[in-house]
Amino acid sequence: ETGVTQTPRHLVMGMTNKKSLKCEQHLGHNAMYWYKQSAKKPLELMFVYNFKEQTENNSVPSRFSPECPNSSHLFLHLHTLQPEDSALYLCASSQEGIPNEKLFFGSGTQLSVL
Amino acid sequence: QKEVEQNSGPLSVPEGAIASLNCTYSDRVSQSFFWYRQYSGKSPELIMSIYSNGDKEDGRFTAQLNKASQYVSLLIRDSQPSDSATYLCAVTNQKVTFGTGTKLQVIP
Repeated sequence: ETGVTQTPRHLVMGMTNKKSLKCEQHLGHNAMYWYKQSAKKPLELMFVYNFKEQTENNSVPSRFSPECPNSSHLFLHLHTLQPEDSALYLCASSQEGIPNEKLFFGSGTQLSVL
Repeated sequence: QKEVEQNSGPLSVPEGAIASLNCTYSDRVSQSFFWYRQYSGKSPELIMSIYSNGDKEDGRFTAQLNKASQYVSLLIRDSQPSDSATYLCAVTNQKVTFGTGTKLQVIP
């Protein structure tokens, strides 16, 4: 394991549901990320948190709401999602949150929106 | 033009052969270059990083960088069936940009 754990592994939700994805890193890193991975598309950066502060929001729709209570935990709250939001959502962490660092990924949550 | 471009594959090579994976990028001032391996249903895992022109070797893996041509490649020598995966190229300047990945199939 890479030291980054994500739950749940799989999630099926209706468009009116509210759910949350959870990520925890055990590596002592200061930066955490949410990425979206869709078929035949590059990994898309959604949010970056550095020392619990959000440092990047890549024009993500407001139906995705991140929360970072401390440097080890990251959540992604989901509400009124659309079918096109179905994808693999990956959490990652890095030591200092600078671009040329190695990223450590969690195993991801495969999300299906019906 | 895609910022980071990779052939999606699949690239099929016989066991024991050299697999050559290629990546081109559009940002001339890119500074750092990474190769991540992603097995089906698993998360990406960093296998190589390279920062200056030339070759960098690590076991059976060699990363090659040519900044003038905006080209980075990954060679896998003595390919094994366990190398079958999707290989993601990532390029950084002010941000990390990933390619779509190349699927490699090593045929026993």
